[in-house]
Amino acid sequence: DAGVIQSPRHEVTEMGQEVTLRCKPISGHNSLFWYRQTMMRGLELLIYFNNNVPIDDSGMPEDRFSAKMPNASFSTLKIQPSEPRDSAVYFCASSTPGLGVRETQYFGPGTRLLVL
Amino acid sequence: DAKTTQPPSMDCAEGRAANLPCNHSTISGNEYVYWYRQIHSQGPQYIIHGLKNNETNEMASLIITEDRKSSTLILPHATLRDTAVYYCIVRLWSSASKIIFGSGTRLSIRP
Repeated sequence: DAGVIQSPRHEVTEMGQEVTLRCKPISGHNSLFWYRQTMMRGLELLIYFNNNVPIDDSGMPEDRFSAKMPNASFSTLKIQPSEPRDSAVYFCASSTPGLGVRETQYFGPGTRLLVL
Repeated sequence: DAKTTQPPSMDCAEGRAANLPCNHSTISGNEYVYWYRQIHSQGPQYIIHGLKNNETNEMASLIITEDRKSSTLILPHATLRDTAVYYCIVRLWSSASKIIFGSGTRLSIRP
C-alpha cells in the first residue's frame, strides 16, 4: 500500500490567495484527520471525518478554513483567503475501521505551506 | 489540552536502552496509552499502545504502572535513527476518537 498520499508536498503562495491541500487516505480506512503543525503550537487537530462525515471541526481556526470529504478516497482542506500566519505543515492521517483496540492513525508526509 | 506530561528532552547513548517516561495521572478506565514518534520533517509514526498490561512489539516495549498513572516507553537498543520527538497520548479506544498531541520528548541519540 502506498500509505496516505498528500499533495502538494510544498506550496508557496501570496497572502489572499486560495490554497487547496489534498489527501488520499489508505484504502479501506474510514476515518480521516487533518492536523496542522507549527513551532509555536505544535501538532493540532483541525478536523476529522468518519465515513466521510465531519465529526469534530472544533479545531478549525476560523471561517477561512474548510474541509470536505466527497468520497472515501479523497479529502481537501481549503484556506481562502490565506494569511501568513497559516504557514505551517499540514498533515493528513487515516485510520483503520472497526475494532478500536487495533486502531492507529497513519500519517501522510505532510504539505509544507508558506504564505508570503 | 493534552492529558500527559513528558520531559522536554532526553539523550541516550547509541546501543543502550532509551527509557522515556510519561505521566498521565488523570487517565480514565477506558483510555489507552499510545506512543507516536516524529522524525524530523516526517509525519508522526505509531509505535505502540496499551491499556494496563505491558506490551512489546518489534519497535519498543511499553510498561504501564499498576495504577495506570504513568508509563515508560523502552527502546531496547537505541540507534541514531531513533532520534525523534516522542509523543505519549491517552485516548479512547474508539476508532473515531481524536488524538491530542502534547509537546513530546525530544530524544537525541549520541554515537
